[in-house]
Amino acid sequence: AQSVAQPEDQVNVAEGNPLTVKCTYSVSGNPYLFWYVQYPNRGLQFLLKYITGDNLVKGSYGFEAEFNKSQTSFHLKKPSALVSDSALYFCAVRDTNNYGQNFVFGPGTRLSVLP
Amino acid sequence: NAGVMQNPRHLVRRRGQEARLRCSPMKGHSHVYWYRQLPEEGLKFMVYLQKENIIDESGMPKERFSAEFPKEGPSILRIQQVVRGDSAAYFCASSPLGQSGTGELFFGEGSRLTVL
Repeated sequence: AQSVAQPEDQVNVAEGNPLTVKCTYSVSGNPYLFWYVQYPNRGLQFLLKYITGDNLVKGSYGFEAEFNKSQTSFHLKKPSALVSDSALYFCAVRDTNNYGQNFVFGPGTRLSVLP
Repeated sequence: NAGVMQNPRHLVRRRGQEARLRCSPMKGHSHVYWYRQLPEEGLKFMVYLQKENIIDESGMPKERFSAEFPKEGPSILRIQQVVRGDSAAYFCASSPLGQSGTGELFFGEGSRLTVL
């Protein structure tokens, strides 16, 4: 079965600095990878996805993520963090060899951007 | 095009009562997922449904919990004889594509259940 790890519970970064939120995955086939953001008392909002093609994927709000097959990673990045980026971030994977399965979400990483 | 609609947004029940949470997927979506989120925790998969079919209920507790997605109307997550440990946010998500699709999930705003 597929799985997702987000090794950091919390990431703190100063406003204006680059940010990285880490994600590694495990699947039996080719992965479909996703990032979502959750603001307090809200649902999850889709940020970006990797299906195939260019390893660098650009998404909403200036976020991007890089797919690295050899390291089985899909880290979320942003060149310059904003205080408003402070939220809970979830990485998710869907396994192409396991169509009947659901999306699997990581445990989440809380990002705090300090002014 | 309305998003995924969940209601009620907030629900308070006493121990032993029943909770019914409803989810209307986005227009044209026929795949629904339910997730539970405890305070300060991540999402836990509960069940994946298509119209009139439960595809994967491996995350559902064996007792007291059930889900359906009828041909007409919203998907329903039903919790019988609620206990305090059922207090959580329950999220519904829908997808437009079949099992082999590449589509992302679209989430509702959640239903927050509080059991007194």
